[in-house]
Amino acid sequence: ETAVFQTPNYHVTQVGNEVSFNCKQTLGHDTMYWYKQDSKKLLKIMFSYNNKQLIVNETVPRRFSPQSSDKAHLNLRIKSVEPEDSAVYLCASSWVDSDYTFGSGTRLLVI
Amino acid sequence: QEKVQQSPESLIVPEGAMSSLNCTFSNSASQSIWWYQQHPGKGPEALISIFSNGNKKEGRLTVYLNRASLHVSLHIRDSQPSDSAVYLCAVSPSSGSWQLIFGSGTQLTVMP
Repeated sequence: ETAVFQTPNYHVTQVGNEVSFNCKQTLGHDTMYWYKQDSKKLLKIMFSYNNKQLIVNETVPRRFSPQSSDKAHLNLRIKSVEPEDSAVYLCASSWVDSDYTFGSGTRLLVI
Repeated sequence: QEKVQQSPESLIVPEGAMSSLNCTFSNSASQSIWWYQQHPGKGPEALISIFSNGNKKEGRLTVYLNRASLHVSLHIRDSQPSDSAVYLCAVSPSSGSWQLIFGSGTQLTVMP
C-alpha cells in the first residue's frame, strides 16, 4: 500500500518554465528525501529534510529548491527547467538508519 | 564518496531457476546494505538488508555479505515471472548518514 504520495505522475513542460512537484508521506517518518533517477535507472540524492534541517547535495543546480510545510510534506520546485532536467523524480521517507519508502515518482519531460 | 557498482546489467533466467545478482561497494566501514526492487512505473521497494558479514535468508531471498572483499550478493531461489524487475543495491555510508548511495541496477527478466 502506497504511503508516500507524489503528484503529478507525469509532467511535460517547455525549457525555461517553472514546475513544482508535491510529496506527502503518511508514515510518521522523521526524514524525507528527493532523488533523481536517470534513464539508466541510477538514483542520485538531491535533498534530505529532517527536523527542519535541510541537507543539500552540493552538485544540485541552484534552480532546484525543496519546500516543506511540516515533516509530512516535502515539495520540489524547479525554476527555469532545462532539457537535462528530464528524468523521474522520486520522493522517499524513512526513520534515520532505516529502509526508505518511495513514492511512484514524477516523470518530467522538458521539450 | 562511496561508490556502488552492480553486475550484471541484465540477467535473463528461466522460471524456477536461481537468480544471482552482485554488488560491490568502496568503503568497508559502510553500514547496512539494502536491496530494492523496482517495477516499471513504480518507486523502488525495500526487499532485504544486511549489516554483518555472512548471510541472511528471508523466504526465497538470500543475501551474502563479505566486507573484506567489499562484495554483497542477492540470490533469488525459484525465480518467478513476477520477479522480473530492476534490482538496486544501496549502501548507507555511515551511521546516521542522511542518504543511501545506489548502484545503477540489474534488470532481471524471468522467462515463463
